Amino acid sequence: DGGITQSPKYLFRKEGQNVTLSCEQNLNHDAMYWYRQDPGQGLRLIYYSQIVNDFQKGDIAEGYSVSREKKESFPLTVTSAQKNPTAFYLCASSPNEGGDFNQPQHFGDGTRLSIL
Amino acid sequence: QKEVEQNSGPLSVPEGAIASLNCTYSDRGSQSFFWYRQYSGKSPELIMSIYSNGDKEDGRFTAQLNKASQYVSLLIRDSQPSDSATYLCAVKTSYDKVIFGPGTSLSVIP
Repeated sequence: DGGITQSPKYLFRKEGQNVTLSCEQNLNHDAMYWYRQDPGQGLRLIYYSQIVNDFQKGDIAEGYSVSREKKESFPLTVTSAQKNPTAFYLCASSPNEGGDFNQPQHFGDGTRLSIL
Repeated sequence: QKEVEQNSGPLSVPEGAIASLNCTYSDRGSQSFFWYRQYSGKSPELIMSIYSNGDKEDGRFTAQLNKASQYVSLLIRDSQPSDSATYLCAVKTSYDKVIFGPGTSLSVIP
């Protein structure tokens, strides 16, 4: 089945530690996105990538880093510089095929990150 | 002004009633509009996409778009308890960003 796989489902971070959240898709989508959701709030864009080896900062990129070395993979690193990382992290992708950037995004199941 | 706003909830409707969810957006050049449903603790799932003015129906769901008024809505007919969730409005802006609204929590009372 095609889809977006995020791992792990739950993650705990110690003070001063960097952690990496995995996002893999087998939908052959060009664009991938990372969002953060805090309790009772909407989604805020962290980073996005429209094509391999290229990515752009979203609204809340500080304290996060990404890479896009392969079309199917878009890992997110939460660095120690992110002082309040506890949140629900969602990865999404969209096709953008034929230059059509109006296709909807589809989401993975998310990763819950907490501070130890 | 926030870029995408939704009617504040929580919204409660009795089973079998019509639930009406509203969304307004600030970027007049926006072209694509999406409704997602998010159950508690889960990720959002796409319900509807709408691109042209007017109504678009899919089963019990109808999306309505009025670009002149910068308004998009979602109607859920014959509401069921399983429809109880948070509904997110998302707008693809003219500067190629998708902005999500804060969501409206819907509770369908049996």
